[in-house]
Amino acid sequence: DTAVSQTPKYLVTQMGNDKSIKCEQNLGHDTMYWYKQDSKKFLKIMFSYNNKELIINETVPNRFSPKSPDKAHLNLHINSLELGDSAVYFCASRPIAGLQETQYFGPGTRLLVL
Amino acid sequence: RKEVEQDPGPFNVPEGATVAFNCTYSNSASQSFFWYRQDCRKEPKLLMSVYSSGNEDGRFTAQLNRASQYISLLIRDSKLSDSATYLCVVSTVAAGNKLTFGGGTRVLVKP
Repeated sequence: DTAVSQTPKYLVTQMGNDKSIKCEQNLGHDTMYWYKQDSKKFLKIMFSYNNKELIINETVPNRFSPKSPDKAHLNLHINSLELGDSAVYFCASRPIAGLQETQYFGPGTRLLVL
Repeated sequence: RKEVEQDPGPFNVPEGATVAFNCTYSNSASQSFFWYRQDCRKEPKLLMSVYSSGNEDGRFTAQLNRASQYISLLIRDSKLSDSATYLCVVSTVAAGNKLTFGGGTRVLVKP
């Protein structure tokens, strides 16, 4: 009965490949996010979507393209993977109302680029 | 300067002791504050929100000092299960309610 789920959990791939990570939330939330947590454990926001509309796009290379087919899904496609893309990618969701509303995170996708 | 700064630790804490640590934030327009907990190789989970008047949740007490722009977390009667990384998180409405995370403070509770 997972609230925020991500697939795959682990992804090992070669430099230059294209890969996608999927995220789904069954909480009925309006807003979804992608975060990157690097080897130094800093968690940085990449994108935020509200009801399928992009509202936050931090300075992420355009090799990263989020896609939201509906408000329960936010997928992340990465073109031409580079070594520096190796990290843990977390998806999160949040209801729109209220400043104090927290975000719920998925279990993370561990990406290793060789 | 990072938007949200924390002492990375680790804080080595004897079981049953009290530990406290702070986090500073640079954006004076920040409006919401949280402490998240992240266990090794797991996702961050909300520990508690931080309110202006300070708040307590069991053994955990959070304080906010807007004038000096810092947040604190105090853990009383530490348990082995409190060992984790504690992430300070700040949200700003002007930035679309974006959450900005600190680098985390690692706490190790030892028997």
